[in-house]
Amino acid sequence: DTGVSQNPRHKITKRGQNVTFRCDPISEHNRLYWYRQTLGQGPEFLTYFQNEAQLEKSRLLSDRFSAERPKGSFSTLEIQRTEQGDSAMYLCASILGQGDSPLHFGNGTRLTVT
Amino acid sequence: AQKVTQAQTEISVVEKEDVTLDCVYETRDTTYYLFWYKQPPSGELVFLIRRNSFDEQNEISGRYSWNFQKSTSSFNFTITASQVVDSAVYFCALSEAGRNTDKLIFGTGTRLQVFP
Repeated sequence: DTGVSQNPRHKITKRGQNVTFRCDPISEHNRLYWYRQTLGQGPEFLTYFQNEAQLEKSRLLSDRFSAERPKGSFSTLEIQRTEQGDSAMYLCASILGQGDSPLHFGNGTRLTVT
Repeated sequence: AQKVTQAQTEISVVEKEDVTLDCVYETRDTTYYLFWYKQPPSGELVFLIRRNSFDEQNEISGRYSWNFQKSTSSFNFTITASQVVDSAVYFCALSEAGRNTDKLIFGTGTRLQVFP
């Protein structure tokens, strides 16, 4: 069990630039989730996939955000035209099946928009 | 609406003290799961416990214990004889089983600092 892997761990970018994060879930986990966590807050749900299908998106996910999971394995989260308000920790989690086990989280990608 | 409230923003204790972290939840579902996660400074969320809404038995795991009371919609977490390594942010979370999404709704967390 290699755990959920996220890259990069840290990203500093200038406002207006595009950024992309990658998440590699635990192998054979069919559900993958993206959360965002700002300082002093709990993680907030952004979106989730079952295999390659994106089944739910939060209202927090503006049209500048897009997530993909093309082959039902790894996932990418892209933010276009970054804003300072996008600065946060982006967490990825995965799970096998439904309700039978807890979400396994990665270490997150910390984004700083200057 | 689903909501998890952790009213304690930060708690400081001295090593070996017992400490209780409070969690109050709101949901209209009759079937749901409650969780506690630990987030050490490294940032990774570490799963501690999951409790089904139909199981109100309290649980003990080493120095950790959990008290689930549906009557007050609370799921409190107690650390006995706290240690410095317990210093972290602790999150309570709710998942509504009927929605079939495993999506977690988190509270705002309680930062626990244990001093030697």
